[in-house]
Amino acid sequence: GDSVTQMEGPVTLSEEAFLTINCTYTATGYPSLFWYVQYPGEGLQLLLKATKADDKGSNKGFEATYRKETTSFHLEKGSVQVSDSAVYFCALGRAAGNKLTFGGGTRVLVKP
Amino acid sequence: DVKVTQSSRYLVKRTGEKVFLECVQDMDHENMFWYRQDPGLGLRLIYFSYDVKMKEKGDIPEGYSVSREKKERFSLILESASTNQTSMYLCASSLAGQSNSPLHFGNGTRLTVT
Repeated sequence: GDSVTQMEGPVTLSEEAFLTINCTYTATGYPSLFWYVQYPGEGLQLLLKATKADDKGSNKGFEATYRKETTSFHLEKGSVQVSDSAVYFCALGRAAGNKLTFGGGTRVLVKP
Repeated sequence: DVKVTQSSRYLVKRTGEKVFLECVQDMDHENMFWYRQDPGLGLRLIYFSYDVKMKEKGDIPEGYSVSREKKERFSLILESASTNQTSMYLCASSLAGQSNSPLHFGNGTRLTVT
């Protein structure tokens, strides 16, 4: 079945540092890929998505490229802020019914 | 903005009790989901529903049931709570008919079973 693996945290960075969170997936066919973010005390919200190979999703300075050859969807941000401190989830989805399979989540802590 | 509201933020129940977790969404979404969130395991799908009175098992349905009598409301039921059901429960909804429309999540219910 489908599965998503992402790097374990926590990841601790200084403000303005470069952030990368690795995500790889196992799936047949052509799923869509997502990054969700969970700020403290809140539910998850969609950060970005890509629906086919070589698509790049971007939002709020974050980017991720759907790489089918390496089955990866790594999240990057060039210069993080303290407000980016959150838990980030990589997810894989099938069009029918929007049922998502999530990775384990990566906690990111940005220090001033 | 879509609003998904979970009735309780924190809940403490005793082993063996019947527990109801309620979720209401206000955007007329067809799809609704219940996930549980545990450290290191991410989110795991318990049950989902594509329409009123319709339900399907997710990846970990054992010990749970659901009810969807109205389109806006999706309830998760723990028939006889056990300590291994202590967790954060997240409800989500999404629009049907649009490929890959995003899931909208509630803020979660943290359930402790003692």
